[in-house]
Formats: sequence, structure tokens, C-alpha cells
Amino acid sequence: AQSVTQLDSQVPVFEEAPVELRCNYSSSVSVYLFWYVQYPNQGLQLLLKYLSGSTLVKGINGFEAEFNKSQTSFHLRKPSVHISDTAEYFCAVRKGNAGNMLTFGGGTRLMVKP
Amino acid sequence: DGGITQSPKYLFRKEGQNVTLSCEQNLNHDAMYWYRQDPGQGLRLIYYSQIVNDFQKGDIAEGYSVSREKKESFPLTVTSAQKNPTAFYLCASSIGASVADTQYFGPGTRLTVL
Repeated sequence: AQSVTQLDSQVPVFEEAPVELRCNYSSSVSVYLFWYVQYPNQGLQLLLKYLSGSTLVKGINGFEAEFNKSQTSFHLRKPSVHISDTAEYFCAVRKGNAGNMLTFGGGTRLMVKP
Repeated sequence: DGGITQSPKYLFRKEGQNVTLSCEQNLNHDAMYWYRQDPGQGLRLIYYSQIVNDFQKGDIAEGYSVSREKKESFPLTVTSAQKNPTAFYLCASSIGASVADTQYFGPGTRLTVL
């Protein structure tokens, strides 16, 4: 079965600093990985996804993530964060070996301070 | 505007009562999903439907029921059998059920049992 671990429940960072949100997965089948962002009291929005091809994936709002098969990781990075990036971030892996059902991690709350 | 609407935004229920959460989409998507979100646990799949008049149980279907009589609508009923229904409920849809088909989320309904 697939599972996702987000090691950090909260990440505080100052504005304009770089940030990395960690995500590790386990999967015995082909791996498809996603990062979603949730602003307060809203639904989730897709930031980026890895389906195949280049292991470095670029997404919206200046975020990127790197798929590392040997370390079973898919960490999310941004070189310089803004106050508006304050939100909860969820890593997800496709569940099973068909369809697009997702298994989500527990989330990481990014808190950007001025 | 195309999108997913969920109503109501906030819902209060007395113990022992059934309650129905609405989810409507005008994106012409075939697949729809219901998730439950609890603090620190990410999202867990309750039910999903890949096509009209068909739906499948997710990981935590006990105490919930759904129907999919129309393509654009996927209401969720939280029954009195659900032991701990207080949570944030998110509806999502995707154009199909391929892994490449992004899930788009509604704004959510926060259910509180009094």
C-alpha cells in the first residue's frame, strides 16, 4: 500500500528566505506524486505533479519539487517565500496502480514571518 | 464561472440527526470525490464516483452515504451511525479517472456536531 509522510507539521520561515517542505513516500507500484496547497478555510489547489520524465518539476507560484527515487522523496522548495505563501501544504501519492485516487500526507503548515 | 460549489459553508447538527452536504460542479467532469479532513491527518477518501449512477467506497465510508443521479451533483449524507462526524468535508472532481487528470476541490463544508 502507498503511504506519505510529511516530517514537519509546521515550518516557520522569514519572508524572502528559502524553504523546503519534506515529503517521503512508500509505494510498491509506479509512483505518481503531487503537492497541493490549502489557504485558510478553502479547498486544495494543485501546485505541481510528477507523472514521468524530468525529476525536477516546476509548479505555480515559483514552487518546484524534485523526485528522488533512491531516497523515496519528493521535497517541495521555493528560493524566496512571500507572506502570501502562508498556508498548509499537502503531499500526495496515487493510491494503487490504477485511476487517480490519492493518499495524502498529514500536511505541513508554512508560516512566513515579516 | 466554472467551478465546484459546496453548501452550506458551516453546518451544525445535533447528535442522532442525519445531514446532507451538497456538492455541485459545472466543469462537465465525470469523476467526483468526497474527502474528510481532520487536523494533522491530511485528507481521507470517503466515497468516489467515476461516472453517473456509479460510486465506490473509499477508506472511511462507514456512517456515510452518497448518490450520483446527475453528472453535476454528488451529495454526501452523514448519518447518525458516523461516530465522530465533526470535521471539514471537501468535495473534488476531475475530468476523468486517469492519473493525469487533476482533481479540483471545492471550498469545503465545516460540520460541527453539538
